[in-house]
Amino acid sequence: DAGVIQSPRHEVTEMGQEVTLRCKPISGHDYLFWYRQTMMRGLELLIYFNNNVPIDDSGMPEDRFSAKMPNASFSTLKIQPSEPRDSAVYFCASSLAVANYGYTFGSGTRLTVV
Amino acid sequence: GQQVMQIPQYQHVQEGEDFTTYCNSSTTLSNIQWYKQRPGGHPVFLIQLVKSGEVKKQKRLTFQFGEAKKNSSLHITATQTTDVGTYFCAGPDNYGQNFVFGPGTRLSVLP
Repeated sequence: DAGVIQSPRHEVTEMGQEVTLRCKPISGHDYLFWYRQTMMRGLELLIYFNNNVPIDDSGMPEDRFSAKMPNASFSTLKIQPSEPRDSAVYFCASSLAVANYGYTFGSGTRLTVV
Repeated sequence: GQQVMQIPQYQHVQEGEDFTTYCNSSTTLSNIQWYKQRPGGHPVFLIQLVKSGEVKKQKRLTFQFGEAKKNSSLHITATQTTDVGTYFCAGPDNYGQNFVFGPGTRLSVLP
């Protein structure tokens, strides 16, 4: 298995632009998580899905952030419009179950908004 | 909501020295997980502990779950430069819906 695949690995964009991050979870994993990591705030859960349905999006910072999972093999996290404070590493993770299995993280997308 | 705390925040050791990081929760945890993140990398699942007082070993790493299931520790014997990274513990949130990650302990190993 190729693991959790994220793209792009790096993204540099100008303030105000739309940014779309992509994730392909491990086949058969029913749960998909989007995390943001910064030095100041550590690993923050933004949203997670179970069987393609969003379960908890309370971690999404504001309306500029949206996430979708149109099918079991693909998810997107979109920021529109982007701001410099959105600069962070965004990780996607997947898991067989939510509370009794380890999470498999992707390699992350390093986002820089200038 | 559920929070797990970790100490220390940073640890610098000489290669060959031992290292321990501690994870604490204000509430009882049904289970706890540990992850390692290398510099520039992503968190990698190491282990899950479930039973009160449980001790598990992975080569030079020893993981322990407290009797009250409110704390856990990770001990590394004779550190090597390959142990460099940030070690996170994670415990289920109040609803058991997902894992909440601690702030991590960043380990530096001086050769």
